Amino acid sequence: GENVEQHPSTLSVQEGDSAVIKCTYSDSASNYFPWYKQELGKGPQLIIDIRSNVGEKKDQRIAVTLNKTAKHFSLHITETQPEDSAVYFCAASKVGGMGGGADGLTFGKGTHLIIQP
Amino acid sequence: GAVVSQHPSWVICKSGTSVKIECRSLDFQATTMFWYRQFPKQSLMLMATSNEGSKATYEQGVEKDKFLINHASLTLSTLTVTSAHPEDSSFYICSARDLRVGRELFFGEGSRLTVL
Repeated sequence: GENVEQHPSTLSVQEGDSAVIKCTYSDSASNYFPWYKQELGKGPQLIIDIRSNVGEKKDQRIAVTLNKTAKHFSLHITETQPEDSAVYFCAASKVGGMGGGADGLTFGKGTHLIIQP
Repeated sequence: GAVVSQHPSWVICKSGTSVKIECRSLDFQATTMFWYRQFPKQSLMLMATSNEGSKATYEQGVEKDKFLINHASLTLSTLTVTSAHPEDSSFYICSARDLRVGRELFFGEGSRLTVL
């Protein structure tokens, strides 16, 4: 099955600096890569996702890049703010065609992002 | 966006009792829902895939008789932890995919189970 590795496990950056979290996956058939933010005691919230037919996607201060050949994808957060502090999870799944294939996600182990004021 | 609701958000029970957790898709129909388990400071581990109108598909190592899943309608899946023991204490999270918006999985807020 799929195996997702995530690094680093903890990342501390100064407010205003950028943060980068990296993930690798093992199953070349995976085609959907979401990133989730989880605050303490809450469920994960999707912040951005990317599909295998796209190399990069950006949404304001957040961007994700995907290298299918190397099987790795990264989350980039620019101009970090205190409210960005949370645990971030990458994930991968293999989803079928339109309306089909409901594979569950395989998650990385998470990165605890700490924004230093 | 789509909303997934879980109930209860937390529950404390005695060892040996059974606990039911509900997962509802509030504004969309979900033929498939997923149940995850998360231990403190760890990642989410997929337990099972809940299929409306048919049996759930369990991941390797997850006991079917221990974690009963029922997906009786297009908006409700339930997870029952039977004969709960302290080692079953965990954060249980469900998710569902709204096919109207593609592949995004929406997660519930989770249910924290503590077995005394």
